[in-house]
Amino acid sequence: SAVISQKPSRDICQRGTSLTIQCQVDSQVTMMFWYRQQPGQSLTLIATANQGSEATYESGFVIDKFPISRPNLTFSTLTVSNMSPEDSSIYLCSVEDRGSSGRASSAKNIQYFGAGTRLSVL
Amino acid sequence: AQSVTQLGSHVSVSEGALVLLRCNYSSSVPPYLFWYVQYPNQGLQLLLKYTSAATLVKGINGFEAEFKKSETSFHLTKPSAHMSDAAEYFCAVSKGAAGNKLTFGGGTRVLVKP
Repeated sequence: SAVISQKPSRDICQRGTSLTIQCQVDSQVTMMFWYRQQPGQSLTLIATANQGSEATYESGFVIDKFPISRPNLTFSTLTVSNMSPEDSSIYLCSVEDRGSSGRASSAKNIQYFGAGTRLSVL
Repeated sequence: AQSVTQLGSHVSVSEGALVLLRCNYSSSVPPYLFWYVQYPNQGLQLLLKYTSAATLVKGINGFEAEFKKSETSFHLTKPSAHMSDAAEYFCAVSKGAAGNKLTFGGGTRVLVKP
């Protein structure tokens, strides 16, 4: 399974500032995903990040607020822009394991998650 | 559209007792189903998955789940709870090989009493 590292693990930020979260994978992956987990709630998909193309955002999330970069097959960043206390959440990246063939298959169709970034906005 | 409902946001079990976490889904296509566990201050760890093979799926840490199409359910069980099972558990559904977006249920927090 892929090993995923997220930085920072936690941060406390001031209102109006921006924070960039990094996600590093130990192998090349086609699809990376960014999720938000608000306090006491489940995970909600923010966007899907594919290398070489613009990220695909879910309803309720926009690029101006959550710009995403995907410069190569092992790395992605999510920026939380112009933060407010409502942005206090855990942000998690995940990757899909498609195996060595690079194609999705029932045996390898699994998402693995990083440990998350715990963000508090004051 | 897909959705997942987990019945019970909190479950309390005694050590050694059966753990039963309920998950019902809706999906317009044959689903892939997953259970993830989140320990305090950690990310999500995959417990098990169903991808249209055997309907009874065994996972890590003694957990298993049974896919029942007629009931649109994928309940998670463990015969004997251990203190280390205290965590939050998430059921999730995806469309399978295409699109692989995960839709999560609301989560069930498990408390294990000694």
